[in-house]
Amino acid sequence: QQKVQQSPESLIVPEGGMASLNCTFSDRNSQYFWWYRQHSGEGPKALMSIFSNGDKKEGRFTAHLNKASLYVSLHIKDSQPSDSALYFCAVSMDYAQGLTFGLGTRVSVFP
Amino acid sequence: GGIITQTPKFLIGQEGQKLTLKCQQNFNHDTMYWYRQDSGKGLRLIYYSITENDLQKGDLSEGYDASREKKSSFSLTVTSAQKNEMAVFLCASSPGQASDYTFGSGTRLLVI
Repeated sequence: QQKVQQSPESLIVPEGGMASLNCTFSDRNSQYFWWYRQHSGEGPKALMSIFSNGDKKEGRFTAHLNKASLYVSLHIKDSQPSDSALYFCAVSMDYAQGLTFGLGTRVSVFP
Repeated sequence: GGIITQTPKFLIGQEGQKLTLKCQQNFNHDTMYWYRQDSGKGLRLIYYSITENDLQKGDLSEGYDASREKKSSFSLTVTSAQKNEMAVFLCASSPGQASDYTFGSGTRLLVI
């Protein structure tokens, strides 16, 4: 059974700083990887997906995937107070079968 | 743009009661999911449905039933609520083909 682990559990970042979130997964057959963000009282929203090894950049967000090392990460550049949220790593082997989520990293950005 | 609506937003039930949660989406998405979110435990998959009338069990299906009678709706039944149970149930939909999930804002359940 797939295990997805995230670190750190929580992160405090100054406004304008860099936040780095880590995620490891257990099944080498995993193919699809997402980062979701959840603000308090809302459902999670997809932030970005990454399916190939290497880096993928979207605005201030960069995801990195290394399937051989069973590792995916998310970096948030120039962090804003609105980035304060719970961030989930989500992994799937087959897109139809449901994502397996990690426990999340809580990011707090202070002005 | 579309929307995914979960009802009710809050649900207080009694121990042993059968409780039904509803989810509607107007994206015309094929696949729908039910997840449970507990504090400190992330999201765990209860049931999913690839198309109308299809049902697939997730890792947490015991104690739940699901129904997908129409493409646009997916309901979840807690067959016997457990005392002191407190969780958020999240519904999501996806067009498939490795696309993002769109989540509803959740139903918050408290069992007394």
